[in-house]
Amino acid sequence: GNSVTQMEGPVTLSEEAFLTINCTYTATGYPSLFWYVQYPGEGLQLLLKATKADDKGSNKGFEATYRKETTSFHLEKGSVQVSDSAVYFCALIDVGDMRFGAGTRLTVKP
Amino acid sequence: EAGVTQFPSHSVIEKGQTVTLRCDPISGHDNLYWYRRVMGKEIKFLLHFVKESKQDESGMPNNRFLAERTGGTYSTLKVQPAELEDSGVYFCASSQDLAFGGTPDTQYFGPGTRLTVL
Repeated sequence: GNSVTQMEGPVTLSEEAFLTINCTYTATGYPSLFWYVQYPGEGLQLLLKATKADDKGSNKGFEATYRKETTSFHLEKGSVQVSDSAVYFCALIDVGDMRFGAGTRLTVKP
Repeated sequence: EAGVTQFPSHSVIEKGQTVTLRCDPISGHDNLYWYRRVMGKEIKFLLHFVKESKQDESGMPNNRFLAERTGGTYSTLKVQPAELEDSGVYFCASSQDLAFGGTPDTQYFGPGTRLTVL
């Protein structure tokens, strides 16, 4: 079946540090891949997505590349800010079946 | 355009009581989904409505959970009787039908309802 595995948190970084949150997936078909973010007190928001192999999704300085050969979709940001503190979820959708990772809590300290 | 809204934001009940969660999707979205995140684990699918019909309810954990979407607008999720393991955050999401310009993979999520069963 389909599944998503992402690195466990929590992750604590200093402002302007480089961020990587690893995400790998298992899918029977050709899924679309997503990163969602949940800021404190808010709902899930779509951060970025990629719909096919080698696509790069990007938004707000975050990037993730759909790597079919390694079945990965790692989230990166070159310089994090305090306002990036949130829980990040990797997800896939394959023929209407949506699966999420367990979420990674990121805390950025000034 | 208003987003997906959920009510209440928090609910604390005792084991054996009944709780009803409500979700109002984005206006015009035929697809409505319920998900649950238990104890910091992954967000799991519960069920999917297309208008008022249940398209897929394979994720519903047991018959203590009842979801309805009368009239194809808002949806309710009732837990009766609630058990300790039902505690978690319940998310609702909606998406537009492909025939009306929706994309097949974009779901818009609400803020969630945090349910605590004591």
